[in-house]
Amino acid sequence: AQSVTQLDSQVPVFEEAPVELRCNYSSSVSVYLFWYVQYPNQGLQLLLKYLSGSTLVKGINGFEAEFNKSQTSFHLRKPSVHISDTAEYFCAVSVWNQGGKLIFGQGTELSVKP
Amino acid sequence: EAQVTQNPRYLITVTGKKLTVTCSQNMNHEYMSWYRQDPGLGLRQIYYSMNVEVTDKGDVPEGYKVSRKEKRNFPLILESPSPNQTSLYFCASSQRTGSADTQYFGPGTRLTVL
Repeated sequence: AQSVTQLDSQVPVFEEAPVELRCNYSSSVSVYLFWYVQYPNQGLQLLLKYLSGSTLVKGINGFEAEFNKSQTSFHLRKPSVHISDTAEYFCAVSVWNQGGKLIFGQGTELSVKP
Repeated sequence: EAQVTQNPRYLITVTGKKLTVTCSQNMNHEYMSWYRQDPGLGLRQIYYSMNVEVTDKGDVPEGYKVSRKEKRNFPLILESPSPNQTSLYFCASSQRTGSADTQYFGPGTRLTVL
């Protein structure tokens, strides 16, 4: 079975500071990796995904994530955050032979303060 | 505009009163899915559908039913709601049934069962 662990439930940070949201996964088979963002009172939207190839993936709004197979991690980073980045962030995996099912982590609330 | 819509957005009901949450997508997507989001648990898949008339259970299907009579619609039915079904529900769709596909989420339905 697969599982996803987001190591921080809440991350407070000041505006223009860098941020890293941590995600580790467990799986005995190959997976695809995703980060989704949920703004207040909205649905989830895709930030970025890793399917194959370069382990550094760039997404929307200046976010990027690095796939580390040996550490089974997929941490999300942004060098300088804005107030508008305040949201909940979800890491998720899907398994190549299990259709579109996403297995989500618990979520990380990013709170950007002025 | 390409989108996934859900209705209602908010619903308060009482135990045992049957209800339906509708989901519709205008992108001609094959794959549709329902998730529930609970604090500290992330999102968990309830049911999914690979195409018209093809549905299957996700990780938490107890107490729910679905149908897929048309490609665009995927309603979630609670025949006899109970308080433990109080949650935030999301419908999602993707173009194909592949695990690498991006899923597009609706805005969510917040359900309270008294």
